[in-house]
Amino acid sequence: EPEVTQTPSHQVTQMGQEVILRCVPISNHLYFYWYRQILGQKVEFLVSFYNNEISEKSEIFDDQFSVERPDGSNFTLKIRSTKLEDSAMYFCASTEGRPNTGELFFGEGSRLTVL
Amino acid sequence: KQEVTQIPAALSVPEGENLVLNCSFTDSAIYNLQWFRQDPGKGLTSLLLIQSSQREQTSGRLNASLDKSSGRSTLYIAASQPGDSATYLCAVDSNYQLIWGAGTKLIIKP
Repeated sequence: EPEVTQTPSHQVTQMGQEVILRCVPISNHLYFYWYRQILGQKVEFLVSFYNNEISEKSEIFDDQFSVERPDGSNFTLKIRSTKLEDSAMYFCASTEGRPNTGELFFGEGSRLTVL
Repeated sequence: KQEVTQIPAALSVPEGENLVLNCSFTDSAIYNLQWFRQDPGKGLTSLLLIQSSQREQTSGRLNASLDKSSGRSTLYIAASQPGDSATYLCAVDSNYQLIWGAGTKLIIKP
């Protein structure tokens, strides 16, 4: 069964360092997303991406965040200068069709710990 | 601003019981509502998707209903099993992004 894969599963980094989280969406999906979940809190939307550009982004997704589809399979989230409050589980998701028409398929998540 | 609330926050029931999890949302202008399951330290598994024009969806022992006008959805789990123990999250698709509830942590006692 096709699935969304994410790497790394866990990353520990020092405050101020750059981090890149990687995702391989399901191959025929066209819309990609990043969500995050701070420990003990609700899942929050970060950004959606379609046709090589950002479709929607939340207030959380400020200038220190960026997304990229560097090749035909990977979808990355970069955090330029990590802060303690960036510690969270980051989930990648993808959908086949337009947003709001179908279910999202999520990866297992990348746990980021900023020290 | 859309807000999603799930009640109860935690629920513990004996194996075999039928149970209902509740989800409410403040803005009825949604495209769809999804129920997810999350196991500790794991990802988010989609259980059921209900489009805004639908009233319910069923998958195996799970049945989800949607009453858009009252801003409510329920997830009914029949004949609960210990393997159903997990956190159940509802999320509404509002303005092309999912808005999430805090989840109901379900424990099924053998």
